[in-house]
Amino acid sequence: LAKTTQPISMDSYEGQEVNITCSHNNIATNDYITWYQQFPSQGPRFIIQGYKTKVTNEVASLFIPADRKSSTLSLPRVSLSDTAVYYCLVGDSLGGGGNKLTFGTGTQLKVEL
Amino acid sequence: EAGVTQFPSHSVIEKGQTVTLRCDPISGHDNLYWYRRVMGKEIKFLLHFVKESKQDESGMPNNRFLAERTGGTYSTLKVQPAELEDSGVYFCASSSPGTSGRNEQFFGPGTRLTVL
Repeated sequence: LAKTTQPISMDSYEGQEVNITCSHNNIATNDYITWYQQFPSQGPRFIIQGYKTKVTNEVASLFIPADRKSSTLSLPRVSLSDTAVYYCLVGDSLGGGGNKLTFGTGTQLKVEL
Repeated sequence: EAGVTQFPSHSVIEKGQTVTLRCDPISGHDNLYWYRRVMGKEIKFLLHFVKESKQDESGMPNNRFLAERTGGTYSTLKVQPAELEDSGVYFCASSSPGTSGRNEQFFGPGTRLTVL
């Protein structure tokens, strides 16, 4: 399984754009890149998934360069409620989530006023 | 639509006792997973059910852990006998084959287990 490396923590202020980069040098051809968010005392929550180039949804954008050895989760105009741990996961994505997830240490994002 | 629910939310037991955790997945989700995070460590996969069958139990730490999913609905995870190192948060997740091809699992809030 491809191992991921991401910063342990990041600080930001409300209204700023936050970019969290994840390295996955050993990503395989069949692997997708998925990001989850976790608030204290809750389970992780799916944010976004992509294979290459750029993916955007109502919550975030995911940028993946051509070599796919890294990816960047972009959160536009963060608020205090975006304070959470963000996990970058890499793995084969069968339809419907039929694969186990491999979590790394995640990035603790702290948003302040 | 109700999300994944887990019971109890907290459990405190003594070493050597038995504890049973329950997970109710989202209705209609065939895939059910158990994960856990022990103190200071990463969230780790335990096992995966497809309906009532164990698809992958490679993450189960030892034979003190027994997971069941009778009838393919809710699942239980029994720890017998519990040891100190079993303390942590146990998460359950579920997913559906119809979820537009993306690897999205829906997690419950977790059960915090403390073994004294």
